[in-house]
Amino acid sequence: KAGVTQTPRYLIKTRGQQVTLSCSPISGHRSVSWYQQTPGQGLQFLFEYFSETQRNKGNFPGRFSGRQFSNSRSEMNVSTLELGDSALYLCASSLAASGGALEQFFGPGTRLTVL
Amino acid sequence: KNQVEQSPQSLIILEGKNCTLQCNYTVSPFSNLRWYKQDTGRGPVSLTIMTFSENTKSNGRYTATLDADTKQSSLHITASQLSDSASYICVVSMTGNQFYFGTGTSLTVIP
Repeated sequence: KAGVTQTPRYLIKTRGQQVTLSCSPISGHRSVSWYQQTPGQGLQFLFEYFSETQRNKGNFPGRFSGRQFSNSRSEMNVSTLELGDSALYLCASSLAASGGALEQFFGPGTRLTVL
Repeated sequence: KNQVEQSPQSLIILEGKNCTLQCNYTVSPFSNLRWYKQDTGRGPVSLTIMTFSENTKSNGRYTATLDADTKQSSLHITASQLSDSASYICVVSMTGNQFYFGTGTSLTVIP
């Protein structure tokens, strides 16, 4: 079974631009969560989608948004990029909503650099 | 304030030796605690998941313990290998799907 895939793997943007990242979960998984990872802050939860609905959201500004499609694939969008948005963006999928003790499987991440 | 703190921040050990990583949390209400291993440039991989009623859980040479009363967890690595060099992240989940992450312990195993 294929793992979680994320595209693109690397991205370079300039301040003020917007970016869209894509995540394809493991087949059959309906929950997709997004995380931001930086050296200083570690992993931080962005949001979780389950059956095309946002179930939970972390403490990030409205510039960060996402959506999930009927095939469970998810996209994350960041508008008006700032230098501080440079990070590794990780996507994780699980069979159902991640509130219980279900295992989450992470993708390799998208490395975003904002110049 | 809900927080997860890990110690030490970094650790260097000789191949074949054992080591223990610590995770203290103040997250409440508690749902479960997870340990992840993250190799450089890769996404985290789950090692163990423990709920409130579980005191210990093993995954090969990795053994995690949980003391829900003191809100402490440890990850013990036995007979370390070079491939254990990675960042180990403790994640505590609240009921209601909120996750809190530690900043990780960077482990380096040297020959």
